Amino acid sequence: DGGITQSPKYLFRKEGQNVTLSCEQNLNHDAMYWYRQDPGQGLRLIYYSQIVNDFQKGDIAEGYSVSREKKESFPLTVTSAQKNPTAFYLCASSIGQGGPYEQYFGPGTRLTVT
Amino acid sequence: GQNIDQPTEMTATEGAIVQINCTYQTSGFNGLFWYQQHAGEAPTFLSYNVLDGLEEKGRFSSFLSRSKGYSYLLLKELQMKDSASYLCAVRDSNYQLIWGAGTKLIIKP
Repeated sequence: DGGITQSPKYLFRKEGQNVTLSCEQNLNHDAMYWYRQDPGQGLRLIYYSQIVNDFQKGDIAEGYSVSREKKESFPLTVTSAQKNPTAFYLCASSIGQGGPYEQYFGPGTRLTVT
Repeated sequence: GQNIDQPTEMTATEGAIVQINCTYQTSGFNGLFWYQQHAGEAPTFLSYNVLDGLEEKGRFSSFLSRSKGYSYLLLKELQMKDSASYLCAVRDSNYQLIWGAGTKLIIKP
């Protein structure tokens, strides 16, 4: 079955540590996205990538980094510079950015930093 | 700035009909999406509107008026499993999705 996987589902870290969230898709989609979801707020875009070896900052990229070395994979690193990293992180992919193509989401990773 | 407004919470009765409204102000418009999200889970796609009018898909319908910056999601014959948050998202001139905070729908027996 095609889909998007994110691991782990729950992640706990101490303040000051970097942590990498994985995202893998086997849908053969070109575009991939990372969002952050906080209670009472809409999803906010962290980074997106339209093609391998290329990615752009979203609205809240500070304190985060990504790589896109393979079409299937788009890992997100939450660095110690991110001031409020505790959140629900969602990875998504789509065929492209335009047209009637919806974004497909992975199950999410809930990160707690104490 | 860009803004998507939806009611925070709505309550409806099993078997009834409910309409969830979404108003938007964005820099450009390249389509509007509705997603369903159960608590702690990923959003799943429900509908897409790019032209004015009504799109029907089973028990769910979505309406768009671009001149009014307005959309609604209509859910008929409500079932308990429809209890979820419903997210409205607009694709702007940069082809990025701008998301509303979501409407939590509570279904009562």
